[in-house]
Amino acid sequence: SQTIHQWPATLVQPVGSPLSLECTVEGTSNPNLYWYRQAAGRGLQLLFYSVGIGQISSEVPQNLSASRPQDRQFILSSKKLLLSDSGFYLCAWTLGVAGYEQYFGPGTRLTVT
Amino acid sequence: AQTVTQSQPEMSVQEAETVTLSCTYDTSESNYYLFWYKQPPSRQMILVIRQEAYKQQNATENRFSVNFQKAAKSFSLKISDSQLGDTAMYFCAFMKHEPLSGSARQLTFGSGTQLTVLP
Repeated sequence: SQTIHQWPATLVQPVGSPLSLECTVEGTSNPNLYWYRQAAGRGLQLLFYSVGIGQISSEVPQNLSASRPQDRQFILSSKKLLLSDSGFYLCAWTLGVAGYEQYFGPGTRLTVT
Repeated sequence: AQTVTQSQPEMSVQEAETVTLSCTYDTSESNYYLFWYKQPPSRQMILVIRQEAYKQQNATENRFSVNFQKAAKSFSLKISDSQLGDTAMYFCAFMKHEPLSGSARQLTFGSGTQLTVLP
């Protein structure tokens, strides 16, 4: 069966510091991968998605970036965090060819101080 | 572009009772998918149920069922025999049908309904 991991689970970072959040999927190959952000009490905002290694599409202009160095690894980064980057970050995957259901990881709670 | 609207920010229901959560959407697409996700206090997003727009039969998963009205662009979730563990934020979501490999298959989410099951 497939599983999705995210780490770290919780992160507190000062403004201006770098960020790296990692997401990995097990038990499938060539998935579509997604990064979402959820502000407190709000819905999910799609940040990036990837349909293959090295293929990244951005949905929202921001100081975040994403990379996909391996088939089942998706990384969310920032060179300098802003206070507005605080939130709950969720990674999700779906089967690249036949899948329409997205499955989510446990999330990372990021607080920028 | 698609929009998803959940007009009930909060709802409550007594344990063992039935509750219905509302969702409407706007799209010009003829083929698409609709989903309900549940987000309990742990904040993990859990897929509850899925409906294909080309299917007239409403989807059912155990105590969860939907009422899909394509012409009205309505997609409500009914939870029967509510349990304390059903307490969560519920999100309705839309995905356009994209059959080609390499397609984005993006979800558009509503703003959510916080459901509280009361003992």
